[in-house]
Amino acid sequence: QITLKESGPTLVKPTQTLTLTCTFSGFSLSTSGVGVGWIRQPPGKALEWLALIYWDDDKRYSPSLKSRLTITKDTSKNQVVLTMTNMDPVDTATYYCAHITFRGWFDPWGQGTLVTVSS
Amino acid sequence: DIVMTQSPDSLAVSLGERATINCKSSQSVLYSSNNKNYLAWYQQKPGQPPKLLIYWASTRESGVPDRFSGSGSGTDFTLTISSLQAEDVAVYYCQQYYSTLFLTFGGGTKVEIK
Repeated sequence: QITLKESGPTLVKPTQTLTLTCTFSGFSLSTSGVGVGWIRQPPGKALEWLALIYWDDDKRYSPSLKSRLTITKDTSKNQVVLTMTNMDPVDTATYYCAHITFRGWFDPWGQGTLVTVSS
Repeated sequence: DIVMTQSPDSLAVSLGERATINCKSSQSVLYSSNNKNYLAWYQQKPGQPPKLLIYWASTRESGVPDRFSGSGSGTDFTLTISSLQAEDVAVYYCQQYYSTLFLTFGGGTKVEIK
């Protein structure tokens, strides 16, 4: 059974850097074809894909946020870390991590973590 | 980027009736070499993360009730709930994975009971 859980701060100030960790079980990021993605959802709004990382360290970023995002993996710890710089109140959202394969759909998802950006 | 447009934004359907949700992509998500449509559907209930319902536009994920079906090809897709149940109240999203350089979701369709 695959599970994922997001962790990180619930409140960050504008201009600060957000660091989120996805800790997973039930699969290995050293297995060919496997990846982890990050998706966010502002309150009451739609889903927005942010970034993903594959088993071979191939990294993909949303073009609109690429300059602010960094995704890394620690295979030994079964963790994926997302950092987002220069946070703004519009970045207030629930941030999800999810398992993905080379096929391209997300399944399953973590429960999500709500991050509020406010001074 | 491939823009995914869903319609309607919301719909109210009586219990036992059919619900139809549309998803249109700004360019084809049909990969000619394998004749597969790179489109998935998700269900998100209040306070929960999205759950995968359908992939390859029409393949139901294991455990998903057969009242859910996906159809369409190229740029136009449909998610149909053949007989709406109370537990189907949710927001439904489509997602294209044709472009893995830029994965995109539709804006969501909220399904309620009339």
